[in-house]
Amino acid sequence: EAQVTQNPRYLITVTGKKLTVTCSQNMNHEYMSWYRQDPGLGLRQIYYSMNVEVTDKGDVPEGYKVSRKEKRNFPLILESPSPNQTSLYFCASSLAGASNQPQHFGDGTRLSIL
Amino acid sequence: GNSVTQMEGPVTLSEEAFLTINCTYTATGYPSLFWYVQYPGEGLQLLLKATKADDKGSNKGFEATYRKETTSFHLEKGSVQVSDSAVYFCTQVDGSNYKLTFGKGTLLTVNP
Repeated sequence: EAQVTQNPRYLITVTGKKLTVTCSQNMNHEYMSWYRQDPGLGLRQIYYSMNVEVTDKGDVPEGYKVSRKEKRNFPLILESPSPNQTSLYFCASSLAGASNQPQHFGDGTRLSIL
Repeated sequence: GNSVTQMEGPVTLSEEAFLTINCTYTATGYPSLFWYVQYPGEGLQLLLKATKADDKGSNKGFEATYRKETTSFHLEKGSVQVSDSAVYFCTQVDGSNYKLTFGKGTLLTVNP
């Protein structure tokens, strides 16, 4: 089954404790991206990657890091989380090279930073 | 920059009512347009898409037409069901860098 898998689904942690949210896709997609969803703000892009070893900032990259060492994985790293990063996070993937390709989304990771 | 504006929610309808969710966009080029739906506790799923002017996307009884002259992509359904209750996002994709820009989402609740 084609899917994007995020882990964990839920996490409560404390300020300053490094965490990683993993994202994996099994569709051989080149393009992967991270979004955060906040009430009243919709979805905002954090980082995206056009292919292995190619990443770029989205609209709200501050406080986040990513890496793309393999095509299927695109982890999101919070080196020193703060309460304003409490949010619902989505990873997505798609074929690159054409803007008419839909994104495939994971089920989301709800992070609470105390 | 590019932007998407969709009607504020929440929208509450009775079953079998007609649905319209308005969406307009601003873009420097000719983006592809999408509607995504988010059911409670789930990620976003593609509902329909249109990639050029006058294209009509359709799926599950929902329709939207890409109107370049009015820069709009309004979502419609003739008869909603309780199972259509969800959040709907209008989205554009910039063809030059594949960047997605989302509207803020419209919560639809359909009552039996």
